[in-house]
Amino acid sequence: DAGITQSPRHKVTETGTPVTLRCHQTENHRYMYWYRQDPGHGLRLIHYSYGVKDTDKGEVSDGYSVSRSKTEDFLLTLESATSSQTSVYFCAIREALADTQYFGPGTRLTVL
Amino acid sequence: GQQLNQSPQSMFIQEGEDVSMNCTSSSIFNTWLWYKQDPGEGPVLLIALYKAGELTSNGRLTAQFGTTRKDSFLNISASIPSDVGIYFCAQGGSEKLVFGKGTKLTVNP
Repeated sequence: DAGITQSPRHKVTETGTPVTLRCHQTENHRYMYWYRQDPGHGLRLIHYSYGVKDTDKGEVSDGYSVSRSKTEDFLLTLESATSSQTSVYFCAIREALADTQYFGPGTRLTVL
Repeated sequence: GQQLNQSPQSMFIQEGEDVSMNCTSSSIFNTWLWYKQDPGEGPVLLIALYKAGELTSNGRLTAQFGTTRKDSFLNISASIPSDVGIYFCAQGGSEKLVFGKGTKLTVNP
């Protein structure tokens, strides 16, 4: 158990509304990641963080922003949700001095 | 950019059969990882490989880091119904991982 929780686990929202997903870790890992998973595309990196207030873009960052004000929390925000952002979102942490990442349980987001 | 080709996309097998899947990459990195994802859950790390030629087992699972450093395979021996799921390879060596698109395994009892 990597000590990762995600909230909410399920959310349905309407196009144009803001949405924030939360990832919380209990083990003080420096690196945290947000991915989206869609059929036919596998896991794609949205944003990641390498420390408090230190973030960088992934391959599908358009339409998303992130914040990390505390080591344990990494927030993903959709400022104005679109139907193309309907997906399953996974948070992951990375152990220090290793490439291995451990995933949270996921958040299923539906944008109507 | 780095691309991972994972094959096959899906497999339908009988319980007790052995399974083999593989990944090939356009780039050389330091790490190969294999994950399994059960329906409705996040991917779970199965095996990590760090050296070319490395062969590592985890129960009925065996994975190898190819000698060219551009490929890896995962074998499952004597499959059982709980082996069903999606298996992902991933390649790393920097801050980020690149994932294959997955192999969906179905095991018929």
